[in-house]
Amino acid sequence: GNSVTQMEGPVTLSEEAFLTINCTYTATGYPSLFWYVQYPGEGLQLLLKATKADDKGSNKGFEATYRKETTSFHLEKGSVQVSDSAVYFCALTEYNQGGKLIFGQGTELSVKP
Amino acid sequence: NAGVTQTPKFQVLKTGQSMTLQCAQDMNHEYMSWYRQDPGMGLRLIHYSVGAGITDQGEVPNGYNVSRSTTEDFPLRLLSAAPSQTSVYFCASSYKRGADTQYFGPGTRLTVL
Repeated sequence: GNSVTQMEGPVTLSEEAFLTINCTYTATGYPSLFWYVQYPGEGLQLLLKATKADDKGSNKGFEATYRKETTSFHLEKGSVQVSDSAVYFCALTEYNQGGKLIFGQGTELSVKP
Repeated sequence: NAGVTQTPKFQVLKTGQSMTLQCAQDMNHEYMSWYRQDPGMGLRLIHYSVGAGITDQGEVPNGYNVSRSTTEDFPLRLLSAAPSQTSVYFCASSYKRGADTQYFGPGTRLTVL
């Protein structure tokens, strides 16, 4: 079945450091890929998405490229801020699976001043 | 627009009690779903609905019932609560199933003693 695997956390970085959170997936068809972010005490909100191979999603300085050949969708940011501290979830969905989101286990990011 | 709203925010139940978690959206979204979030396991789909009168099971449906009598509301019922149902519950909606963005509510933290 479809699945998503993320790097384990927590990840602790200093402000202005470079961020990479790895995400790989297994899917039978052609999924759409997402990164959701959950700030402390809140629900999830979409950070970025990509719907086909080689697409790059970007938002708020974060980027991720849909790599079909390596089945990956790694999240990157060039310079993190304290306000980026949150839990990040990689997810996929396939239209023929009823649009259900399949989530990775989440990666907690803590950014220190 | 209020977006996706959930009530209550917190709830404590005793084993065997029943309750309903409320979820409503005012965006005229067809697709609604319920997830539970447990540490280290990401979010897992409980039930979903592709429109009023249509519901289906997700990954972990046992112990939960849903109905969708209107487009706006999608309540989740626990018939006989068990400690294993202690979790944070999120409701989500989207305009249609598939690749579209899902919008999440703020969550309900449930503890079953």
